[in-house]
Amino acid sequence: EAGVTQSPRYAVLQEGQAVSFWCDPISGHDTLYWYQQPRDQGPQLLVYFRDEAVIDNSQLPSDRFSAVRPKGTNSTLKIQSAKQGDTATYLCASSFSVSAETLYFGSGTRLTVL
Amino acid sequence: GDSVTQTEGLVTVTEGLPVKLNCTYQTTYLTIAFFWYVQYLNEAPQVLLKSSTDNKRTEHQGFHATLHKSSSSFHLQKSSAQLSDSALYYCALSESYNQGKLIFGQGTKLSIKP
Repeated sequence: EAGVTQSPRYAVLQEGQAVSFWCDPISGHDTLYWYQQPRDQGPQLLVYFRDEAVIDNSQLPSDRFSAVRPKGTNSTLKIQSAKQGDTATYLCASSFSVSAETLYFGSGTRLTVL
Repeated sequence: GDSVTQTEGLVTVTEGLPVKLNCTYQTTYLTIAFFWYVQYLNEAPQVLLKSSTDNKRTEHQGFHATLHKSSSSFHLQKSSAQLSDSALYYCALSESYNQGKLIFGQGTKLSIKP
């Protein structure tokens, strides 16, 4: 069974540039999560979906960050105007349902904003 | 608010000796689930242990942990460290009915030396 797939693996950009991260969850998983993991810190939840609906985006910096999951499968996280403070690894994870016991993480996209 | 604290950023242990990684928490959740995640270099975090029962020992891959609600702790232990145990370890909590919405600690890097 394929795991959670994320791309790109790395991204380097200047402040003010835009960037998008893509996530393909495990087939059949209806719940998808995006976490931000700053260097030397634990992951922090940004947003999560059940199917195509956003369940909680309260931790998403809404002025520059956006996330979509239009068909309830793949998801895209976008940063409109990146700042140095956005430098982090962005992890996508999926689970069979919101109440499922096991969360599967992708390997992440490592973003560096210069 | 809810939080998880891992006091040690780096723990170095000689192969064959015991390991203990500390984890304490604060939460207002009424029903909780606790996890230890392990993250090997350049890989995705993966769940190592999970518990939601007070005072019950949970074991996996030679590691064990016991949730103690009286002391708000969920320390990770292993009796004999192996070189392959070197990795980042994260303690995390969630509400029992939504185990993908995790609150992570800062992480502890475990380094096993020969």
